[in-house]
Order: sequence, then C-alpha cells, then structure tokens
Amino acid sequence: TQTVSQSDAHVTVFEGDSVELRCNYSYGGSIYLSWYIQHHGRGLQFLLKYYSGNPVVQGVNGFKAEFSKSDSSFHLRKASVHWSDSAVYFCAVSFMLSGSFNKLTFGAGTRLAVCP
Amino acid sequence: DPKIIQKPKYLVAVTGSEKILICEQYLGHNAMYWYRQSAKKPLEFMFSYSYQKLMDNQTASSRFQPQSSKKNHLDLQITALKPDDSATYFCASSAGRPQYFGPGTRLTVL
Repeated sequence: TQTVSQSDAHVTVFEGDSVELRCNYSYGGSIYLSWYIQHHGRGLQFLLKYYSGNPVVQGVNGFKAEFSKSDSSFHLRKASVHWSDSAVYFCAVSFMLSGSFNKLTFGAGTRLAVCP
Repeated sequence: DPKIIQKPKYLVAVTGSEKILICEQYLGHNAMYWYRQSAKKPLEFMFSYSYQKLMDNQTASSRFQPQSSKKNHLDLQITALKPDDSATYFCASSAGRPQYFGPGTRLTVL
C-alpha cells in the first residue's frame, strides 16, 4: 500500500518567519513527488516536483523542498513567508506502477496561516 | 487566459438526477484526469485518460462515466446523484509530469 501523510493539519506563523511543511510517504519503489498550493475557493497550483537528481528542488515564490530517501520525506520550506502564502498545501506522490506514473495520491493537506 | 476550463463553476442537483461536468484544456496535453475533493476525504484520484483512452479507473461506482469527445476534452457524467456525491471535482491534464489543475466544479446534491 502506498500512502502519503502530512502530519500537521494546521501551521500558524508570522510574516517573515521561516516555515517547514512536512510530507512523508510509504513506498519502496520509484516515486515522483510534488507540492501544490490551494488558495481558498481556488484550484490547485503546482509549486515544485522531484523525481531524481539534486534532492533539493526550487519552486515558485521562494519555496523549496528536500527529498530524503532514508526518511521517506519530501518537506517543503520557505525562508520568509508573506501573508499571501496563507493557503492549504498538498503533498502529492505518484508511484511507479505497471511501468508508468499515472495518478497522484494526495496527503490530507496542511493549512498554513500567516499572521501579519 | 485560463488554460483548463471547467464548467459550470457551481452546480446544484437533486438526488437521483444526472449531471455532466465539462472540462477542456488548451495546453496541448495528451493526458487528462479527474479528481474529487470533499469535506470527508482528501483529494482523490478518479480517472485518467491518455490520447482519449481510459488508463486508470479508481472509482468504484459505474455512476461516474468519463466522456472524451475530443482529445482536449474530458467530461464527467454522473448519474443517479446522491448527497454523498457532493464535492468539488477537479479536472487536470499533463504531458508527462507535472499535472496541471482546473479551477474545479463544486457540486451540491440536495
């Protein structure tokens, strides 16, 4: 069974703080990892992805994520958040099955609230 | 200009009725998907199509039927609607990775 977990349902920080949103997965094979952001009442916007190579990947708006095979993790980080970063963040994992990556399996999401 | 169009944005239906959710993408992608987001469950995969052919179906109920009349269209027909079908339905598309999502159709079944 392949699973994705986001351990924090809610994270609250102040503007200018750094933040880490955690994502862990369980699967022993090839995976493709990504993060999406969903502002209230909107669709999902792609932030960044990782499949191979440098385990630290840069995304839009100063976000970056680090893949760790040993920890089965793909945590999202930002050094200095802005109030506009307030949204729900979803970790999404695609598992290599039958020779292809197909569906995305999403975590439950982490709601980030940035206080002014 | 929006690259993935979903229509309508909001939809209210009565139990037992049938509705069609529209999705069109103008990204030139060959693969299209449907996902569902409800208050009770996280985003869950429903279907994937590649070159207008069904690749994967994770929806247990046959009441949900995707329809691809053109390569950039993937509509979702839902029959015999139930209140539990109330959710936001997202269409997505890709040319490999990543998948890009539309704005969603929020369906409410009374």
